[in-house]
Amino acid sequence: EVQLLESGGDLVQPGGSLRLSCTASGFTLSNYVMTWVRQAPGKGLEWVSSIRSSGVNTFYADSLKGRFTISRDNSKNTLYLQMNSLRVEDTAVYFCAKGLTEGFYYNGADVWGQGTTVSVSS
Amino acid sequence: EIVLTQSPDFQSVTPKEKVTITCRASQNIDSKLYWYQQKPDQSPKLLIKYASQSISGVPSRFSGSGSGTDFTLTINSVEAEDAATYYCHQSGGFPLTFGGGTKLEIK
Repeated sequence: EVQLLESGGDLVQPGGSLRLSCTASGFTLSNYVMTWVRQAPGKGLEWVSSIRSSGVNTFYADSLKGRFTISRDNSKNTLYLQMNSLRVEDTAVYFCAKGLTEGFYYNGADVWGQGTTVSVSS
Repeated sequence: EIVLTQSPDFQSVTPKEKVTITCRASQNIDSKLYWYQQKPDQSPKLLIKYASQSISGVPSRFSGSGSGTDFTLTINSVEAEDAATYYCHQSGGFPLTFGGGTKLEIK
C-alpha cells in the first residue's frame, strides 16, 4: 500500500527552526515530484514547496522568502522540509503529497500524508 | 501566479440534489486542473484529474469538465457523505495554486 507519514511538527517560538520529515512506503519516492502543502487553522490549502524527481529542481512559494528548504534522501525514501526563522503565520498542518505520475513533471498529487502540526507561538 | 477562483464559497443542499462547483483560472492551464475533497481533520482526497478524468475508487456521481480557464465539478445526486470542502488545484506552472475552497453542507 502506498503511504506517506509525516513527522517533526512541534510547538516552537518565533524565530525558531524545525525539520519536517515525510517517509514513503509502497513506492520509490525518488521517481516522483514530491510536494509540501500547508493548511492554517480554519483556512484553505496553500502550496509550500515541490522537488522534482531528479532532486535538482526545487520550487517555493514566494511568501516563504528563502526560509524553507525542501530536500530528499532517496536511500531512506524520505522527504524533508527544513523551516527556519519561523513566524506565527507559519502555524499550520503540513502535508506531504506524492505526484500523480512518475517523472519530471508535476501533474497533481494523488497520495497525501495525514499531516503534522506546526505551531509557532511565544 | 495563476489564481484560481472558486464559486460558491458555501453551498447547502439536500440529498439527491445536483451540485455544481466552478473554478476559474486567471490564465490558460489547458486541462491541468485537479479536484480534491477534504473532510474535517482529514487529508485531501483526489477526485478528478486532468479536469475530467475519473479516479479509481471515486463514486461515479463525481465528474469534472472544462479546459483552458473554466472548469466545473459536478456531483450528481449528492449523498450525506459528500459533506466536505472541495478544492480545485492547478499544475499549469509554478507556483502551484489552489482555489479558495467550496464548503458543501448536506441538510
